Amino acid sequence: EVQLVESGGGLVQPGGSLRLSCATSGFTFSTYAMHWVRQAPGKGLEYVSGISGNGGSTYYADSVKGRFTISRDNSEKTLFLQMGSLRVEDMAVYHCARDFSSGWYYFDHWGQGTLVTVSP
Amino acid sequence: DIQMTQSPSTLSASVGDRVTITCRASQSISSWLAWYQQKAGKAPKLLIYKASYLESGVPSRFSGSGSGTEFTLTISTLQPDDFATYYCQHYKGYPPWTFGQGTKVEI
Repeated sequence: EVQLVESGGGLVQPGGSLRLSCATSGFTFSTYAMHWVRQAPGKGLEYVSGISGNGGSTYYADSVKGRFTISRDNSEKTLFLQMGSLRVEDMAVYHCARDFSSGWYYFDHWGQGTLVTVSP
Repeated sequence: DIQMTQSPSTLSASVGDRVTITCRASQSISSWLAWYQQKAGKAPKLLIYKASYLESGVPSRFSGSGSGTEFTLTISTLQPDDFATYYCQHYKGYPPWTFGQGTKVEI
């Protein structure tokens, strides 16, 4: 069974940093692209970032480019999101999601998410 | 950037109704479209991919159609478990991709 479990969320002040993790199991992690998608309270889904299976290709939404860094540890089957220069508008539940394949397609499995709160 | 627009934003329906949600893309995305269902406090769940392909395990009352810029998600006979928010998402080319703003199906 595919499982994605996020952690690392919490309360941080504007301008601060946070590192999110997504521990995975039930599939060959290194052969799948992975993504982060967020959802602000009461709002819709927003794409954040994606990374290829070998980590060689990364993509970011304009809203986080230059502040967030996606990475992965294939030996530990874990996805990361390093978030810096956090803003109030970054406050959201952050979900990790598995791509359908090694390419760039849709999200066939999602984690429950971890809440990031940005407040003075 | 490709913009995705869903309509309606909210839909009131009853059990047994036929429900249709529309998603329009600001430019052609061929059939590179997915539909997700999200219940309050839960992770989204994939329903449809490549515009009309039903994900394994998803009930056959869900169907998708369309190509180019206009797409629809249809629930043929609404069940109590279907009251949720539905999102479309394009995946044309490389990320970042965009989602529609969501359609809440309520009683």
